[in-house]
Amino acid sequence: GEDVEQSLFLSVREGDSSVINCTYTDSSSTYLYWYKQEPGAGLQLLTYIFSNMDMKQDQRLTVLLNKKDKHLSLRIADTQTGDSAIYFCAESGRYSSASKIIFGSGTRLSIRP
Amino acid sequence: ETGVTQSPTHLIKTRGQQVTLRCSSQSGHNTVSWYQQALGQGPQFIFQYYREEENGRGNFPPRFSGLQFPNYSSELNVNALELDDSALYLCASSRTGGEVGGYTFGSGTRLTVV
Repeated sequence: GEDVEQSLFLSVREGDSSVINCTYTDSSSTYLYWYKQEPGAGLQLLTYIFSNMDMKQDQRLTVLLNKKDKHLSLRIADTQTGDSAIYFCAESGRYSSASKIIFGSGTRLSIRP
Repeated sequence: ETGVTQSPTHLIKTRGQQVTLRCSSQSGHNTVSWYQQALGQGPQFIFQYYREEENGRGNFPPRFSGLQFPNYSSELNVNALELDDSALYLCASSRTGGEVGGYTFGSGTRLTVV
């Protein structure tokens, strides 16, 4: 079945890079996403990557996709206190006629001074 | 700033009761999806509506039902509430099928069943 797994916690020093890792099981995934959720808020799409791409860079964010190993990572350069949040890895494809998104359990990123 | 509005923001219900959660989508978004996010978990797909018809469903029982209206609003109804229904319920709207990151999520309704 479809499954997305990621580590639960990550702590980094302010100014360092953060790397959040994720693995997924569905080889038919079309899109892979990273969402950010701050306390009391909904989900904010940070970035996404097509399954036929290896890398995508967007300002401080770099997404790496290893399709062979079904491994996705998100690197946040120069991590700031405002980056503290829960980060969800997610994937979607076409299931029947609905584009549902399968989410991981989220990685809580905390920033230490 | 999100264009999807959910109401109420918080709700407390008693086991066995029924609840209706509401979502107002962005104008022009003809697809709405509902997700349940239990504490400490990622969101799980409940169902999706496209042009007022259910267009896909996750692993949720029939007591979870929905409606979508022509004015881009929608409802999630849950009958016979159980304690495990306590969660954050998220509405996401999109244009057409919503792929390529086209979903806009609301801030959610936190439902507590006691």
